[in-house]
Amino acid sequence: EAQVTQNPRYLITVTGKKLTVTCSQNMNHEYMSWYRQDPGLGLRQIYYSMNVEVTDKGDVPEGYKVSRKEKRNFPLILESPSPNQTSLYFCASSLWAPLAGEGDTQYFGPGTRLTVL
Amino acid sequence: QKEVEQNSGPLSVPEGAIASLNCTYSDRGSQSFFWYRQYSGKSPELIMFIYSNGDKEDGRFTAQLNKASQYVSLLIRDSQPSDSATYLCAVYNNNDMRFGAGTRLTVKP
Repeated sequence: EAQVTQNPRYLITVTGKKLTVTCSQNMNHEYMSWYRQDPGLGLRQIYYSMNVEVTDKGDVPEGYKVSRKEKRNFPLILESPSPNQTSLYFCASSLWAPLAGEGDTQYFGPGTRLTVL
Repeated sequence: QKEVEQNSGPLSVPEGAIASLNCTYSDRGSQSFFWYRQYSGKSPELIMFIYSNGDKEDGRFTAQLNKASQYVSLLIRDSQPSDSATYLCAVYNNNDMRFGAGTRLTVKP
């Protein structure tokens, strides 16, 4: 089954304790991205990756890191989480960047609800 | 700051009616436009995308784009209770993907 998986689905942690949220897709997609969703603000892009070893900042990258060592995986790293990073996080992937064709459909993972105390 | 604006709603329509969802955007260079549906507690799923001015129809859904007015809309014909969800407008330009905050639609039986 074609899918994007995220782990963990729920996480409660404390300020300053490093954490990683994993994201994996089995569709051989080139483009992957991370979003956070907050009430009243919608989805905001954190980082995206056009291809392996190619990553770039989105709208709200502060406090986050990513890596893309393999095509299928795109982990989100919070080196020192703070309460303002409490949010719902989504990973998404598409064949290409969402610009110009049928292959641009972004498939979203199930989401990770993070609470930082 | 590039903005994508949507009326948060809730928008309530009776079953069988046409639901009209609107979205405006500030970045004139925006190249592609998307409508996502998000059920409560679930992840967004793509309904339609549109790149050119005019209308694009897919089943009960019609997307309308007017780049001069920086306006994109989604019409849902013969609305069903299962269409009750939050609808997210998204705008893409040069690797920058922006979402609106979404419009909550309720279709009453």
